[in-house]
Amino acid sequence: AQSVTQLDSQVPVFEEAPVELRCNYSSSVSVYLFWYVQYPNQGLQLLLKYLSGSTLVKGINGFEAEFNKSQTSFHLRKPSVHISDTAEYFCAVSGYSSASKIIFGSGTRLSIRP
Amino acid sequence: GAVVSQHPSWVICKSGTSVKIECRSLDFQATTMFWYRQFPKQSLMLMATSNEGSKATYEQGVEKDKFLINHASLTLSTLTVTSAHPEDSSFYICSARFPGQGPETQYFGPGTRLLVL
Repeated sequence: AQSVTQLDSQVPVFEEAPVELRCNYSSSVSVYLFWYVQYPNQGLQLLLKYLSGSTLVKGINGFEAEFNKSQTSFHLRKPSVHISDTAEYFCAVSGYSSASKIIFGSGTRLSIRP
Repeated sequence: GAVVSQHPSWVICKSGTSVKIECRSLDFQATTMFWYRQFPKQSLMLMATSNEGSKATYEQGVEKDKFLINHASLTLSTLTVTSAHPEDSSFYICSARFPGQGPETQYFGPGTRLLVL
């Protein structure tokens, strides 16, 4: 079974500042890792995913994440945030098989201050 | 990317009534769909896995008689909240996968907000 921990429930940052949202996972098998964004009163949008290969994954809206197997982490970063990045961000993990389920972290609320 | 739709986007109902939520995969056939529930300021919790043509598999703690799931076609799964009560008020999100594929091809719907008065 897999689990995922998002260490920060809220992250306030100033506009144009860099941000890192932390995510750690636990699994006895190889995993896929995901970051989703949820804007207020909306569904989930996939930001990026790590399946295999390069450990640095680039996603939409200028976000990127780095898979670190030794530290079992998949932290999300953006060098310069905008007001429009205000949202809830979910890290998620799954196994490889078609029977695997996506398990979500508790979420991190990113609030951007002007 | 692939599109998953839900209908309605929001619904208000009286306590004791039943509510049906539809989940459709618009441009692909989904043999497997998933239903999640999200309470305010909380994460998504998987309720059940819906497989076309067979009974749904419910997660531990989810009442299958209260949350009826039907996956009658390759593009449609429905979730019926029976005898809804205020504590069932939540955001329900469905998700669909490409046939035979794993989580890497899973797409999420926009969600349905249910308010039970």
